Amino acid sequence: SYVLTQPPSVSVAPGKTARITCGGNNIGSKSVHWYQQKPGQAPVLVIYYDSDRPSGIPERFSGSNSGNTATLTISRVEAGDEADYYCQVWDSSSDHLFGGGTKLTVL
Amino acid sequence: EVQLVESGGGLVQPGRSLRLSCAASGFTFDDYAMHWVRQAPGKGLEWVSGISWNSGSIGYADSVKGRFTISRDNAKNSLYLQMNSLRAEDTALYYCAKGGSSSLHGAFDIWGQGTMVTVSS
Repeated sequence: SYVLTQPPSVSVAPGKTARITCGGNNIGSKSVHWYQQKPGQAPVLVIYYDSDRPSGIPERFSGSNSGNTATLTISRVEAGDEADYYCQVWDSSSDHLFGGGTKLTVL
Repeated sequence: EVQLVESGGGLVQPGRSLRLSCAASGFTFDDYAMHWVRQAPGKGLEWVSGISWNSGSIGYADSVKGRFTISRDNAKNSLYLQMNSLRAEDTALYYCAKGGSSSLHGAFDIWGQGTMVTVSS
């Protein structure tokens, strides 16, 4: 079955750029979606179909996907961006699949 | 306002059953696929099941196949999850999520706040 691999944690200083990766075999051929989940809250979709942004999501959030790695990039990181981030794909053998999640810490 | 409200969670003994419900409002319910996603305490997200707009396509995670049944009532703007033969490992917060299209594929663009299911003797 298909596997998505995310780093458990990423740390970044305020105002800098955070990059959260999601690795998978030829993930570039799939559509990747990203969710933000703050403590005690439901997940929120922040990027869909690799790089599209839902209404209400700041332009600081962007996504890319190529080869074996998809990346969520958060520019000019703010304290309020501190959260868990999950990537997700649909795969014919696994249906919907989430990565293990990455905890973003703003230093 | 687009809203999903789950209900039906609780404490249940192993081997027993439970039925979750999700009431949708603020969008045309029968235009979209719907899903259940769960999160065990302190763990990540796990997709459980999904159903297309007209119930023509249904999918289940291997971990629940044969035990859980998803259904929807478009006249009532409601989604359901019948959970049988519950196990301790089914203990989780269960989220109802709206699909971004009528098919099972795609992102989950709206989530409810979840209903907690605890399986324990």
